[in-house]
Amino acid sequence: NAGVMQNPRHLVRRRGQEARLRCSPMKGHSHVYWYRQLPEEGLKFMVYLQKENIIDESGMPKERFSAEFPKEGPSILRIQQVVRGDSAAYFCASSPGQSNSPLHFGNGTRLTVT
Amino acid sequence: GESVGLHLPTLSVQEGDNSIINCAYSNSASDYFIWYKQESGKGPQFIIDIRSNMDKRQGQRVTVLLNKTVKHLSLQIAATQPGDSAVYFCAERYSGNTPLVFGKGTRLSVIA
Repeated sequence: NAGVMQNPRHLVRRRGQEARLRCSPMKGHSHVYWYRQLPEEGLKFMVYLQKENIIDESGMPKERFSAEFPKEGPSILRIQQVVRGDSAAYFCASSPGQSNSPLHFGNGTRLTVT
Repeated sequence: GESVGLHLPTLSVQEGDNSIINCAYSNSASDYFIWYKQESGKGPQFIIDIRSNMDKRQGQRVTVLLNKTVKHLSLQIAATQPGDSAVYFCAERYSGNTPLVFGKGTRLSVIA
């Protein structure tokens, strides 16, 4: 009964490179959310997706960031041309989609930009 | 700005005592609230949730209280244990499947 799986756990990129973060939701969950967390801070919403659709991307920067959740395979958060300010922990959460159901989080990907 | 905030950023309690972590929210339309526990290096772990049509909900050693009049949420942990040491976040949902909005968190330290 696997939970939300994120990989890689740690990712180091040089400035200007691309970062790809993967998230496999819990079995039976069709809704995926991406959050970002800086040290000693709360989680900031980035994007909410269902299979093949972006539902809400109001928290995602307009440039360099994109997300997808294809019909087959994991959800991908992609950061192009990374900068040092992108260094953070990125968490994925999933839910079955019913109202008032909690989000289940993965253990995150810690991105370090050097 | 944030619509969810916490009164105390850090809390130290003696092992065996009860802990109370508080949270204020500003959106009176929020209909669902959750408490999460986050240990170092891990993702947030669901503890307990409550809908806006309730004012109290109990789990194992934890109780969540909701006071809609003053827009206040609290998490009570009974007989706090060292394993309870973590950062605790409250989160609210405005409606339906809208994303959860998180507060900044309270660090709970349990003194053995």
